[in-house]
Amino acid sequence: NAGVTQTPKFRVLKTGQSMTLLCAQDMNHEYMYWYRQDPGMGLRLIHYSVGEGTTAKGEVPDGYNVSRLKKQNFLLGLESAAPSQTSVYFCASSTRGGSGNEQFFGPGTRLTVL
Amino acid sequence: GESVGLHLPTLSVQEGDNSIINCAYSNSASDYFIWYKQESGKGPQFIIDIRSNMDKRQGQRVTVLLNKTVKHLSLQIAATQPGDSAVYFCAELIFLYNKLIFGAGTRLAVHP
Repeated sequence: NAGVTQTPKFRVLKTGQSMTLLCAQDMNHEYMYWYRQDPGMGLRLIHYSVGEGTTAKGEVPDGYNVSRLKKQNFLLGLESAAPSQTSVYFCASSTRGGSGNEQFFGPGTRLTVL
Repeated sequence: GESVGLHLPTLSVQEGDNSIINCAYSNSASDYFIWYKQESGKGPQFIIDIRSNMDKRQGQRVTVLLNKTVKHLSLQIAATQPGDSAVYFCAELIFLYNKLIFGAGTRLAVHP
């Protein structure tokens, strides 16, 4: 199993450009999440999904959109990138039920917006 | 606002010593508390969790203690090894909102 994978690993954008980050998991997890991590800080939840076709806002959703068309994929879109969106983005997934506490994280995407 | 925070940003220990990483939280409604380890350039990795109705849980070389009276959480690592060097995050999980709230992190540096 590959676990949680993210593409791309690195990206540099100019202000106003758009892009989509792809997250894929092969563990048949119901829940998927997108976080951002800024230097010296913990992770902050952007959006999450509790199942295929559903999405919900997290702590810092502004400037981002997401889609969960397939259970194994969770896409994060930036329609008009801003320098404040320079960050490392992590995707995670987890099972539903039980403790449901173990979120499995991808390796991250480092995004720089100039 | 509701948040999870950490007392010490950096902790330096000698190899073989025990490490204690502390965390304060403010939300009494949290259902679980979780510790994650993040190595440089990688995503966070689950270490151990504890349900809010427990005060202690042990894993392999790690113990988590929860003191709800003072809203304090700690991670104890026994016989710290160089491979334990990383940033450690505490996080709280609230089932109602189905999300994790992370603290800022503590860097653990293990010296030979």
